[in-house]
Amino acid sequence: SQQGEEDPQALSIQEGENATMNCSYKTSINNLQWYRQNSGRGLVHLILIRSNEREKHSGRLRVTLDTSKKSSSLLITASRAADTASYFCAISYTGGFKTIFGAGTRLFVKA
Amino acid sequence: DTEVTQTPKHLVMGMTNKKSLKCEQHMGHRAMYWYKQKAKKPPELMFVYSYEKLSINESVPSRFSPECPNSSLLNLHLHALQPEDSALYLCASSPWGDRRGTSYEQYFGPGTRLTVT
Repeated sequence: SQQGEEDPQALSIQEGENATMNCSYKTSINNLQWYRQNSGRGLVHLILIRSNEREKHSGRLRVTLDTSKKSSSLLITASRAADTASYFCAISYTGGFKTIFGAGTRLFVKA
Repeated sequence: DTEVTQTPKHLVMGMTNKKSLKCEQHMGHRAMYWYKQKAKKPPELMFVYSYEKLSINESVPSRFSPECPNSSLLNLHLHALQPEDSALYLCASSPWGDRRGTSYEQYFGPGTRLTVT
């Protein structure tokens, strides 16, 4: 399967703490994307990182990509209760016309 | 306008019914997608359209029939569904990739919650 693997499956933290979630994949990629989903509704795109990039930032979000280890991490700093959601990595593989979603990390931020 | 709209929000149908899900975007995106998502699972790709032509069919049963009437609209026609088809159906659009088929960020609609009785 080309599905990305994410860990942890679930994460519970206090407001103000940082949250880190990881995604691993299997073969060469064009890019890797992170999405957020609240309560079974539509997904929201957060960040896209290309295979030749190592780090990207967007507000309180930081994404890293290590192509030698075939892994990516999403860091959310100074978390808020509103960050409670499921987070998915999505992988665009080389030579593919589709994006494969990882299993997701469920983040719960306690106020 | 950066919104993808989907109708209806909820749908309950019997196994002998015929119904359609609709999706619309006005961002000029030339790639549109249908996904199926079960509770606590990631979205599973069903179909990809590029430039109004079906590019990918992920071996979806024929009781699901996609249609792309124009670059802004995407339909999913449903017929003789099974209870296990109950799920959240998500539509998405994105700018089309390069010649190698690179996919880029997708914009998702809120989904249609389908229940098959």
